[in-house]
Amino acid sequence: DVKVTQSSRYLVKRTGEKVFLECVQDMDHENMFWYRQDPGLGLRLIYFSYDVKMKEKGDIPEGYSVSREKKERFSLILESASTNQTSMYLCASSSPGLEETQYFGPGTRLLVL
Amino acid sequence: AQKITQTQPGMFVQEKEAVTLDCTYDTSDQSYGLFWYKQPSSGEMIFLIYQGSYDEQNATEGRYSLNFQKARKSANLVISASQLGDSAMYFCAMEASNDYKLSFGAGTTVTVRA
Repeated sequence: DVKVTQSSRYLVKRTGEKVFLECVQDMDHENMFWYRQDPGLGLRLIYFSYDVKMKEKGDIPEGYSVSREKKERFSLILESASTNQTSMYLCASSSPGLEETQYFGPGTRLLVL
Repeated sequence: AQKITQTQPGMFVQEKEAVTLDCTYDTSDQSYGLFWYKQPSSGEMIFLIYQGSYDEQNATEGRYSLNFQKARKSANLVISASQLGDSAMYFCAMEASNDYKLSFGAGTTVTVRA
């Protein structure tokens, strides 16, 4: 069964803290993605990776960085959390190919105080 | 950049009736894929159905079908025989052939009434 897991379902952090969100997939997928979801805006792509140690910026990379040291793991890092980064964060993975769907994790609801 | 538009923020549907969710897209690419996802209140995104731009027939998956009108750049989702468990947010998304990325619409919230 396909599985994408995220390290936390809920997270509360303070402004200025460094925050790590972890994502692990067990499907041997090449591609991994980080999105944030805000009401009325749908999902917006932060970063994605199409191979180990490879990364590309998405539509809203400012304030975020990522790390992919192993194929199954993709980490999102908020270097200095701010209140406008309060959001739902979703990780996804997929195989290459136009018809290949992305499989999503359960999401992390992050609150920055 | 691709743009996906879902004009219906919320909809109510009676149980056992059909409902159509609108989605239009804007792209200059000839080859692309269209996806619909369901997001229940639990938060996880569930893949429902896929339509390729060169597919001549509309995609169907159980109670889900996609009304694909390429010239109009629309890819509406039809849910037949609605069930209470269909209450959720639904997202339309598109991937261009030269891109790994999905672009999402803002979503439509569907509430099924008994």
